[in-house]
Amino acid sequence: DQQVKQNSPSLSVQEGRISILNCDYTNSMFDYFLWYKKYPAEGPTFLISISSIKDKNEDGRFTVFLNKSAKHLSLHIVPSQPGDSAVYFCAARSDNQGGKLIFGQGTELSVKP
Amino acid sequence: DAEITQSPRHKITETGRQVTLACHQTWNHNNMFWYRQDLGHGLRLIHYSYGVQDTNKGEVSDGYSVSRSNTEDLPLTLESAASSQTSVYFCASSESRNQPQHFGDGTRLSIL
Repeated sequence: DQQVKQNSPSLSVQEGRISILNCDYTNSMFDYFLWYKKYPAEGPTFLISISSIKDKNEDGRFTVFLNKSAKHLSLHIVPSQPGDSAVYFCAARSDNQGGKLIFGQGTELSVKP
Repeated sequence: DAEITQSPRHKITETGRQVTLACHQTWNHNNMFWYRQDLGHGLRLIHYSYGVQDTNKGEVSDGYSVSRSNTEDLPLTLESAASSQTSVYFCASSESRNQPQHFGDGTRLSIL
């Protein structure tokens, strides 16, 4: 059973517009959520995170929103740039599982000039 | 600069062979992890370690083993490689359980 789901395998956005990547989870014990970005032939790199006690966290062009009642989080990138083209993974963690990360399937973002 | 390195970057082997993938980190992190990435599944945890002599099974541990004899290294061994283990393997480490994990660049393993 997939505890973390990214239902959109791909997303295409025009440069300068907003990119919204979505992630749903089923385990209400998750208390920390992360987004990773992955370029081809490289490992994932940490992008931004949010604790379950918050509903929003912002870092430059990247904002993560958490809706606990809906068990949904989203990553907003504004404005989108061609260098943002990559695969984005959301991940979740619960303290009672020793901090192990559960990853979604990933969404491939393509930002077109 | 501290880093995490995986070797080899690419490997082709035959079914039934034993294969070992290396992971070495210079951050002195206690926590180390092995994942596999497959299309449609994202990254799935194979094994992890919270310190020297500590190893734990992850979500997809069957057919894999790890050992942790020092802080820097967590080699992943496929005892008898199967075609279903063809995948891209990532190693990661973190300073603590509450810190983000840092990933290596992966090993692409093909089992024929």
